[in-house]
Amino acid sequence: AQKVTQAQTEISVVEKEDVTLDCVYETRDTTYYLFWYKQPPSGELVFLIRRNSFDEQNEISGRYSWNFQKSTSSFNFTITASQVVDSAVYFCALRSVAGGTSYGKLTFGQGTILTVHP
Amino acid sequence: EAQVTQNPRYLITVTGKKLTVTCSQNMNHEYMSWYRQDPGLGLRQIYYSMNVEVTDKGDVPEGYKVSRKEKRNFPLILESPSPNQTSLYFCASSFGTGHQPQHFGDGTRLSIL
Repeated sequence: AQKVTQAQTEISVVEKEDVTLDCVYETRDTTYYLFWYKQPPSGELVFLIRRNSFDEQNEISGRYSWNFQKSTSSFNFTITASQVVDSAVYFCALRSVAGGTSYGKLTFGQGTILTVHP
Repeated sequence: EAQVTQNPRYLITVTGKKLTVTCSQNMNHEYMSWYRQDPGLGLRQIYYSMNVEVTDKGDVPEGYKVSRKEKRNFPLILESPSPNQTSLYFCASSFGTGHQPQHFGDGTRLSIL
């Protein structure tokens, strides 16, 4: 069985602070993909990034960066210089593609509610 | 415009009255899936389909049915809804089951009284 844990239920920061959202996953498979999605107050789910299990390169996109560490089964997301528009629920997700009973399943974490105050 | 369309967006109904939430995508995606979102639990997968006539249970399939007779449609059926199925439901689709991110519909908020 696969599992994704986002231990931080809610985070509150003041604008311009940096914030890191943690994601820890469990899977027995060696081939898998990790994703981050954003759900703003309007409710839609917006894809942010994916990473495959063979690519541990960190990635930066503007104020967003992601740190994938296979050794600790973590895929953390950092927002630098946060803004009010970053306020949303953020979900980490895992998809196994190696076959077996989890093949094709996409498992989400519980989500982290981020509130950025002006 | 590429999209996943769910209907209805909101529904209030009563226990036991069968209902169907439709989902349609216009991107020729093979993979489609249903999730429910509940506070503190994130999104949990109900059912998924890897292609026409191929469906499989997700993590919380009890009380739900699905069908995939055509590639573009993946309806979610609640034969006898109960109050614990009150939730926010999302349909999603993607090319294949690998690295492609899922495209999500706008959600359907169901209230079962």
